[in-house]
Parts: sequence; structure tokens; C-alpha cells
Amino acid sequence: ILNVEQSPQSLHVQEGDSTNFTCSFPSSNFYALHWYRWETAKSPEALFVMTLNGDEKKKGRISATLNTKEGYSYLYIKGSQPEDSATYLCALNFGNEKLTFGTGTRLTIIP
Amino acid sequence: NAGVTQTPKFQVLKTGQSMTLQCAQDMNHEYMSWYRQDPGMGLRLIHYSVGAGITDQGEVPNGYNVSRSTTEDFPLRLLSAAPSQTSVYFCASSSLTSGRAYEQFFGPGTRLTVL
Repeated sequence: ILNVEQSPQSLHVQEGDSTNFTCSFPSSNFYALHWYRWETAKSPEALFVMTLNGDEKKKGRISATLNTKEGYSYLYIKGSQPEDSATYLCALNFGNEKLTFGTGTRLTIIP
Repeated sequence: NAGVTQTPKFQVLKTGQSMTLQCAQDMNHEYMSWYRQDPGMGLRLIHYSVGAGITDQGEVPNGYNVSRSTTEDFPLRLLSAAPSQTSVYFCASSSLTSGRAYEQFFGPGTRLTVL
């Protein structure tokens, strides 16, 4: 079983502050890394898909980086807003179409 | 496009009952999958399919059956429900040819309680 680990498990951040969290994975058989945003009572929605070492993606105040050689990805949120409160899931394709998910980082923004 | 749809949204079963969770997608995706989500466990793959007539087991297949007779539909059958199958079930689909590295689109989920 290939483990995808996310840290921290949960995070409380003051509105306006910036934050980041980590996804770690075994670098062998890496094909792609996905970040999903999952709001309570909704279904996960794709944020980013990254495949290349050194890849950086950005969508508004959210960005992500990827290091496949050392097996980690960071998700950054700049100037947190209450609507950023969600669980952020990391998932990997290890050489095929199946996704292996981490357990997520639950982010709560404090107004 | 409706995307990925799931029915029902909620279901309560008694131990030993059987039922089918429905999943359909209108994006012509080759790949479809079923996950269960339990507290502290993340999303775990139950079964998946890479095309009509092809299915395979995921990480936690016991107690579940699937079939894929059409590209659009991928029903999940609980043969004899057990309390351990109380969970939220998500269906997802992805294109194998879009160049988006198998990005998956999720349905709204089915919350199942087995008493």
C-alpha cells in the first residue's frame, strides 16, 4: 500500500493570515498529484493537478508546489477568508488511473 | 451537463437488507469509481471500472458488487448490509484521454446508515 500523508490534520487560522500545509508521498511510481477542496456537505472539487517536478500552480489566493524527488507538495493560501474553510485533500496516481487519497487537512478560518 | 449524479442522497437499511446505489455520468468518461468516506480514514476505493464491461476491486471491496454495462452507469450493490457499511459513498469519474492526469469528478454522495 502506498501511503499519502497530509499534515497537519487540522488547522485554525485567523482571517487575513496566510497558511500552508503539506502532502508527503513515496516518490517511486509517481505519475500525478491532485489537490481537492472539500466543503462540508458537498463533494470534493479539483483545485490542481500537477505532474512535473518543480511544478507550481496558482488559482487566485491559492497556490501549490510539487517536489517529486523528495516526495512532497505544499498548498498555500494567502490572506485566508472564511470561504476557505474546508478540508483539503491530496491524492496521487502511482503509475495508473487510480487515485490514492490522504486523510486531508481540515482548515477553519476564524473571523 | 449534469456531471456525476448519485441516488439516493440518504438511505437507512436494516442489517441483512440489500440495495443498489446508483451512479451516472454524462461526460463520456471511461473511468468510474466508488469510494467510501469514514471519519479519520479518508476516501477509500471500493471498486472501479476503466470501461463498459470491465470492473476491478479497489482497497475495500468486500460486501460490494459492481457492474458496468454502459459507459454512463456504474451501480454499487450491497449484498447483505452490515453496520460496518455505514458510511458516505462517493462515485467519481474521469477521462483517460483528456491529458488532465485522470482528474476525477465527484458525485454529491450517498449517506448510508445500516442499523
